[in-house]
Amino acid sequence: AQKITQTQPGMFVQEKEAVTLDCTYDTSDPSYGLFWYKQPSSGEMIFLIYQGSYDQQNATEGRYSLNFQKARKSANLVISASQLGDSAMYFCAMREDTNAGKSTFGDGTTLTVKP
Amino acid sequence: NAGVTQTPKFQVLKTGQSMTLQCAQDMNHEYMSWYRQDPGMGLRLIHYSVGAGITDQGEVPNGYNVSRSTTEDFPLRLLSAAPSQTSVYFCASSLGGLYTEAFFGQGTRLTVV
Repeated sequence: AQKITQTQPGMFVQEKEAVTLDCTYDTSDPSYGLFWYKQPSSGEMIFLIYQGSYDQQNATEGRYSLNFQKARKSANLVISASQLGDSAMYFCAMREDTNAGKSTFGDGTTLTVKP
Repeated sequence: NAGVTQTPKFQVLKTGQSMTLQCAQDMNHEYMSWYRQDPGMGLRLIHYSVGAGITDQGEVPNGYNVSRSTTEDFPLRLLSAAPSQTSVYFCASSLGGLYTEAFFGQGTRLTVV
């Protein structure tokens, strides 16, 4: 069964607007971490933001925030004030405490920012 | 500050050839992993290691071997290359534990003809 599901293969957003990229996950482990990474067309993987399962507050890093809804098992990435440089592929990933050395990635969402 | 270094960046192999993709990190990270990324898709875990001398299989281990004799190095061996192994390969490392992000190498684009 897919542990990380990203249901939006592609998304478009107008420059300066906000956009939400969806991520749902499946785990029976009460302790886990959720990560978002960005992959520009150049190919490198860039860490954006992290949320722990026991964190009480949603994570924020600059223009990135994570809308964490534990009961729904969702960890959506919100990018505010989109910029042209935000055009990239975005991956959601999870690490579970029972096997912390192993990370599972979703299939990604390609975001295109329109000028 | 090198981070995670993968070599080579590009490689073309003939079916049946073997080769080793090199991965080295200089951050004293305990965890290291190999992923493959096929066009338009996410990363699939091939093998991973939680420390020197400890390795385990990921989702797609067939056709690949790994070893971890030192903390720094985690080579990936293709035993007998097949066209289905044409992909981009990423090595990643992290400090260890649940709450640490992964640092990725630049990737190796492998084509098997």
